[in-house]
Amino acid sequence: GEDVEQSLFLSVREGDSSVINCTYTDSSSTYLYWYKQEPGAGLQLLTYIFSNMDMKQDQRLTVLLNKKDKHLSLRIADTQTGDSAIYFCAESPPGSSNTGKLIFGQGTTLQVKP
Amino acid sequence: DTGVSQNPRHKITKRGQNVTFRCDPISEHNRLYWYRQTLGQGPEFLTYFQNEAQLEKSRLLSDRFSAERPKGSFSTLEIQRTEQGDSAMYLCASSRLGGEQFFGPGTRLTVL
Repeated sequence: GEDVEQSLFLSVREGDSSVINCTYTDSSSTYLYWYKQEPGAGLQLLTYIFSNMDMKQDQRLTVLLNKKDKHLSLRIADTQTGDSAIYFCAESPPGSSNTGKLIFGQGTTLQVKP
Repeated sequence: DTGVSQNPRHKITKRGQNVTFRCDPISEHNRLYWYRQTLGQGPEFLTYFQNEAQLEKSRLLSDRFSAERPKGSFSTLEIQRTEQGDSAMYLCASSRLGGEQFFGPGTRLTVL
């Protein structure tokens, strides 16, 4: 079945690194995504990784994918107070690569303390 | 490009009433998605359109829910005989074929 799990809450100090973890069940997913949601705003795509990649780096963001363990992580370097938000992991399960349908985790609230 | 817009932003209604939400996608996007997000959860897929055709519906979309995209541009989502369990944020997203989904700010529905 399709299921995406995330830890619910993470608190870090400004300047530290944040690591948000996600596990998914469908090993055939083609793309895996990280979205950010701030209060009163829509979901914003931060980054994504194709399933044949192990790592992707984009400025302060690093995505690691372990297909064997079906584990995805998002590392934010030098975390800032503006990074405080809810972060969602999402997968694009097989069969949906033509539709674009996304399956989301329940979200991890990142709290950044000054 | 003004992004995806949704109206209204907030809707409060009494149980049993019908409500309709509107989504205006990014103009050149031919795919349009509806998701529902309840408090503390991630968005759940409801349905999607490619142009004016509704190509997939989730089992979450009961027969009280109907969505249309009559001219392949804006879309409406109607909920008939609302129930308290329908209270949620309804999110719309649009994309090009195979492209990134851009989300609107959502319509927050409260059913009293």
